[in-house]
Amino acid sequence: GAGVSQSPSNKVTEKGKDVELRCDPISGHTALYWYRQSLGQGLEFLIYFQGNSAPDKSGLPSDRFSAERTGGSVSTLTIQRTQQEDSAVYLCASSLARGSPPAGETQYFGPGTRLLVL
Amino acid sequence: GDSVTQMEGPVTLSEEAFLTINCTYTATGYPSLFWYVQYPGEGLQLLLKATKADDKGSNKGFEATYRKETTSFHLEKGSVQVSDSAVYFCALRKSGGSNYKLTFGKGTLLTVNP
Repeated sequence: GAGVSQSPSNKVTEKGKDVELRCDPISGHTALYWYRQSLGQGLEFLIYFQGNSAPDKSGLPSDRFSAERTGGSVSTLTIQRTQQEDSAVYLCASSLARGSPPAGETQYFGPGTRLLVL
Repeated sequence: GDSVTQMEGPVTLSEEAFLTINCTYTATGYPSLFWYVQYPGEGLQLLLKATKADDKGSNKGFEATYRKETTSFHLEKGSVQVSDSAVYFCALRKSGGSNYKLTFGKGTLLTVNP
């Protein structure tokens, strides 16, 4: 079946603009995660959704970052007033969740959105 | 806090060479340990995992053993192929509490030449 998909695959924006990144998880996966992969920082956890709720937003780097999930499916990560340090690859993952938190579940990753802020 | 340290790359090998990528971790309790692989232009894929001490994860000829005493989870393969060229990430997921987030190492780029 279809894996996790993300759009756009690449995004170039000017400093100060807002951007929206989209994630379509695997059908039936109730848990969804956003990570950021930046040069020199590796992969960092941003936020976790269980259904439409986000029990853990601790990884969001600033209040310019927000995310939502609707219908227990698609999620959007929004970055307002982008800065050059926001340039990174934003990865989305999903997993089946038998409980909360979803212990022992494999996270399946999408191909990522490469964001470049000029 | 939890952390993962893996060997700096890049690693360049000839086909059929032996591969070791070192990974050590710092975490309380008994985390689960993972190796993910990212092939060029693709997303992260789970390569193998181990959930308790002395477990050995294996897949596609790769192996890693969860060593609690040395807090390590080194990745090995006896004979690499050109198709193994990718970035490899070691990761942990802590036990209890917020055991959904993965903590990753910085990745090791492997290039295998024919």
